[in-house]
Amino acid sequence: KNQVEQSPQSLIILEGKNCTLQCNYTVSPFSNLRWYKQDTGRGPVSLTIMTFSENTKSNGRYTATLDADTKQSSLHITASQLSDSASYICVVSADAAGNKLTFGGGTRVLVKP
Amino acid sequence: DVKVTQSSRYLVKRTGEKVFLECVQDMDHENMFWYRQDPGLGLRLIYFSYDVKMKEKGDIPEGYSVSREKKERFSLILESASTNQTSMYLCASRPGSSYNSPLHFGNGTRLTVT
Repeated sequence: KNQVEQSPQSLIILEGKNCTLQCNYTVSPFSNLRWYKQDTGRGPVSLTIMTFSENTKSNGRYTATLDADTKQSSLHITASQLSDSASYICVVSADAAGNKLTFGGGTRVLVKP
Repeated sequence: DVKVTQSSRYLVKRTGEKVFLECVQDMDHENMFWYRQDPGLGLRLIYFSYDVKMKEKGDIPEGYSVSREKKERFSLILESASTNQTSMYLCASRPGSSYNSPLHFGNGTRLTVT
């Protein structure tokens, strides 16, 4: 059964600090992995996508990594801001068309001043 | 920017009622999806549609049906609402022909069944 596990479930960090979120998956076959950010009361919004051949990709203060051998991804947030308070969801696709998705349970991040 | 609009942010319904959740997208996307989101479980696919009048079951279709009469509109129907259908419902769309394109989500409808 395809699964995506995220850790930690939640974390609290001080504004300006860095943090790293983890995503482990057992999806097969593997097409791509995407990170979404979901603000409270809003729908998820895509942050970045990782394909099999990519190891690292940045989007502003967000940097995603992918290790396809160990089936692990991480999302690193640099110099956190209050607006980074949100849930971060890891989603793995088993096909390029994107219709076979497995969602992680998300990591809830709270940034405190 | 793609806009996916869900008609209600909050709904409270009684057990046994028929419930309609409406979703409209403005970017001519072929694919539309209905998910439910529960704490700790992640998003789970209820139904998706890849064209007008076409639909396919997702992982948890029991107790739900859908309707897609027009390309821009995808409706989720709870034939007889039950308390275990209390949840956040998210609609999403994406182009049918573009590899690796992201899902574009609405802001969700929080449904409470009492």
